[in-house]
Amino acid sequence: AQKVTQAQTEISVVEKEDVTLDCVYETRDTTYYLFWYKQPPSGELVFLIRRNSFDEQNEISGRYSWNFQKSTSSFNFTITASQVVDSAVYFCALSFTGGGNKLTFGTGTQLKVEL
Amino acid sequence: DGGITQSPKYLFRKEGQNVTLSCEQNLNHDAMYWYRQDPGQGLRLIYYSQIVNDFQKGDIAEGYSVSREKKESFPLTVTSAQKNPTAFYLCASSMGPQFEAFFGQGTRLTVV
Repeated sequence: AQKVTQAQTEISVVEKEDVTLDCVYETRDTTYYLFWYKQPPSGELVFLIRRNSFDEQNEISGRYSWNFQKSTSSFNFTITASQVVDSAVYFCALSFTGGGNKLTFGTGTQLKVEL
Repeated sequence: DGGITQSPKYLFRKEGQNVTLSCEQNLNHDAMYWYRQDPGQGLRLIYYSQIVNDFQKGDIAEGYSVSREKKESFPLTVTSAQKNPTAFYLCASSMGPQFEAFFGQGTRLTVV
């Protein structure tokens, strides 16, 4: 069975602080895919990044960066110099080729960035 | 424009009534999904479909039913057997497990 754990329910930071959102996953498959999504107050999920199990390179996109470590089954997301517009719920998700397209989400982390 | 359309945005129903939530996509995606979102519970998978006329139960399928008669449509029926149907429902589609899913704007169902 596959599982995604986001232990941080809610994080509050002051603008310009850096913040890391944790994601730990479980799967028996060797080929799998990890995702991060952002859910603003409007409710619609927005795709942020995808990573496959064979690519452990970290990625940076502007203020966003992702750290994928297979040794610890983690795929953490860091926002540098946070802004109020980053306030949202962030979800980590997992799929694998043997799962018939099943896409499993974590419980999400509510990020609040205050002035 | 390509995308996923869920309707209606808000839905109110009396207890004991079945209700059907619509989900249409024009992205030509094979895979489609239904999720339920409750506060503090994240997104829980109800049903998913890999291809027309085929679908699988997710983690919380009891009290729900789906159909996939057309590639672009994946309606969800919330039956009277669902004990606590009030929730936010999200529909999504993707090209496959290695690709990102695209989401609709959601339907907020309230049962009174």
